[in-house]
Amino acid sequence: GDSVTQMEGPVTLSEEAFLTINCTYTATGYPSLFWYVQYPGEGLQLLLKATKADDKGSNKGFEATYRKETTSFHLEKGSVQVSDSAVYFCALRRSDKLIFGTGTRLQVFP
Amino acid sequence: GAGVSQSPSNKVTEKGKDVELRCDPISGHTALYWYRQRLGQGLEFLIYFQGNSAPDKSGLPSDRFSAERTGESVSTLTIQRTQQEDSAVYLCASSLWTSGSRPTGELFFGEGSRLTVL
Repeated sequence: GDSVTQMEGPVTLSEEAFLTINCTYTATGYPSLFWYVQYPGEGLQLLLKATKADDKGSNKGFEATYRKETTSFHLEKGSVQVSDSAVYFCALRRSDKLIFGTGTRLQVFP
Repeated sequence: GAGVSQSPSNKVTEKGKDVELRCDPISGHTALYWYRQRLGQGLEFLIYFQGNSAPDKSGLPSDRFSAERTGESVSTLTIQRTQQEDSAVYLCASSLWTSGSRPTGELFFGEGSRLTVL
C-alpha cells in the first residue's frame, strides 16, 4: 500500500544552517504531496504542497520539489531560525485521506 | 472558535474502561478526520466523515473503536474496554470541500487528546 518514509530525527542545527529533511514515498500514480509542521503546543498545520510532478511548493522560506523519478519530496531551507524548531511531517493524499510519515523533529540552537 | 477544538486534552484511564474523545471542527468544514499517533510513530488514519455520506471506517483498528458525527458539527470518538496499546495522541482534523471538487488536502488539526491507559 501507499506509504511515506522520512529521515529519523532529531535534526539538530545551528541558526542560519542549511536544512534538508528527506522524504520518499511509495504510491501508485502521482499523488499530491504535502509537508505539515507542528510547533510546540500547537496542532499540525500545512506548510507547503505540490500537486504534480516537478511542482515546487514553497512557504516561509521552505521549499520542496516533487520528484517522480526518485519518488521524493525533500524539504529544504537555506537558513534556519530558532523559531523553525518543530516536528515536520511529510504526507501524500490517497483518495480523500492523507497518509503521513513518522515525523522529523528539528531543533535549532542560537 | 477559530480552530479545531478537542477535549479532553489529557485523559488517564484504567484498562477496561470506556473513553470518549470530542472534536469540534471549524464551522462550515464538511470533512472531519480522526488520526492516532502512537509514540515514535506516524499519524495513523482512523475514520473520515464527509457530509451526509457513509463514513470511511477503514482505519479503525478494532470493533472497540467507533465514532459518530452530528451533521456537520461535533464528532465523538469512543474507545470501549481500553487496552494499554490504545495509549496515544488522538488527533482530529477538518477540511473544507468546495462545490464540485475534492478537499485540497489542507487539513486543519486540533491539538489532540492524549490518552494514557494504565
